[in-house]
Amino acid sequence: KQEVTQIPAALSVPEGENLVLNCSFTDSAIYNLQWFRQDPGKGLTSLLLIQSSQREQTSGRLNASLDKSSGRSTLYIAASQPGDSATYLCAAIKETSGSRLTFGEGTQLTVNP
Amino acid sequence: DAGVTQSPTHLIKTRGQHVTLRCSPISGHKSVSWYQQVLGQGPQFIFQYYEKEERGRGNFPDRFSARQFPNYSSELNVNALLLGDSALYLCASSLARSNTEAFFGQGTRLTVV
Repeated sequence: KQEVTQIPAALSVPEGENLVLNCSFTDSAIYNLQWFRQDPGKGLTSLLLIQSSQREQTSGRLNASLDKSSGRSTLYIAASQPGDSATYLCAAIKETSGSRLTFGEGTQLTVNP
Repeated sequence: DAGVTQSPTHLIKTRGQHVTLRCSPISGHKSVSWYQQVLGQGPQFIFQYYEKEERGRGNFPDRFSARQFPNYSSELNVNALLLGDSALYLCASSLARSNTEAFFGQGTRLTVV
């Protein structure tokens, strides 16, 4: 059974700091790894999708990496801003499970001005 | 282009009642998945539908059912509501059955009293 763990559960940083969010998964036979952002009471916004043949993806100040052998993905946020405050969720997808996403419980990020 | 749309946004029901939630995927997307997110946790997979057929089912009781229509929109039905069904219900849209990015709607907040 695929399990996804995110560390830390919560993180508070001053504005401008670079930070790393961690995601680990138990089953290395994943196909894709997707990172999402969720604002309180809202739906999920897709940030980055890393396919199994890729090692990283970048979008603006965000960079996500995937290491299937170690069962880890990281989301790097550069020069954090108060608007980055949200919960960040990672989700793993196995090739044999269609589009079924297995989520971690998220990291709640607060960026203080 | 419109994103994934869900209706209603909020709903209050009494224990024992049934509820129908609706989702319209992104135009051209043929896969719709449903997730339940309890406060403070990551979303849990309920169903995936692709080309109007069920392609996956999570660990939820038979009180939960869904269907997909010829226009690829979808309904999630929950019968005999329990207090524990109170959650944010999320719909995800994907272009294909697998190996594609998932896009989420804003969710339906269901409260069972």
